[in-house]
Amino acid sequence: EVQVVDSGGGLVQPGGSLRLSCVTSGFTFTSYTFHWIRQAPGKGLEYVSAISGDGSSVSYADSVRGRFAISRDNSKNTLYLQMGGLRPEDMALYYCAREGRGGHYDFWGQGTLVTVSS
Amino acid sequence: EIVLTQSPDTLSLSPGERATLSCRASQSIRNNFLAWYQQKPGQAPRPLVFAASSRAAGIPDRFSGSGSGADFTLTISRLEPEDFAVYYCQQSGRAPWTFGQGTKVEIK
Repeated sequence: EVQVVDSGGGLVQPGGSLRLSCVTSGFTFTSYTFHWIRQAPGKGLEYVSAISGDGSSVSYADSVRGRFAISRDNSKNTLYLQMGGLRPEDMALYYCAREGRGGHYDFWGQGTLVTVSS
Repeated sequence: EIVLTQSPDTLSLSPGERATLSCRASQSIRNNFLAWYQQKPGQAPRPLVFAASSRAAGIPDRFSGSGSGADFTLTISRLEPEDFAVYYCQQSGRAPWTFGQGTKVEIK
C-alpha cells in the first residue's frame, strides 16, 4: 500500500526557517518525481517545487525560488522542503505529492500546516 | 505560465442531476496532460481523471473527462451526496504546472 506522510509544519516568525518532511512507503521511491504543493487558508492549490527521482533535477515556483530548497534522501524514502525567509504569504497547508502517469498527482500526503506570524 | 480558468465558480445542483465543469487553458496543453481532482473540507485533493480522459484508480464511472487542446470538461453523470465538493483542474503539459481556481459543486 502506498503511503505518503508529511510533517514538520508549525508556527514561525516572519523571516524564520522551517523544514518539512515527507516519508513514503509501499513503492520504489527512486522511480518517482515528487512535488510540494501548497494551499493557503480558503484558497486554491499552488505548485511550489519538484524534484526528479534521482534528485538531479529540481524546479521552483517564482514565488519561492531562492528561499526554499527541495531535496530527497533516497536511502530513507523521504522528501524534504527547507523553507527560509518565510513571509506571511507563505502561510498555507503544504502537501507532498507523487507524480504519476501523465504528470498528474496520484498520491498525496495529508498536509502539514505552516503558520507565519509574529 | 499556462493559466487555467474554471467555470462556473459555483454549481448548485440536486442529487441525481448531471454536473458539467469546464476548464479552459490560456494555450494548448501538450499531450492533453490535464487532470481533475476532488477536494472535500479537511482532506487532500483526490485524483479523478488524468490525461484529459483516463479515470484514476478506484474512481466510479459516473466521473468522466473529455476535451483536448485548450478546452476540457469534467462530467459527473448523476450526482451522489458524496460528490458535493470543490473540483480543480491541473495541467502538466508545460512547466510550471498550474491549477485552476476551482469549481464548488454545492447542494441546491
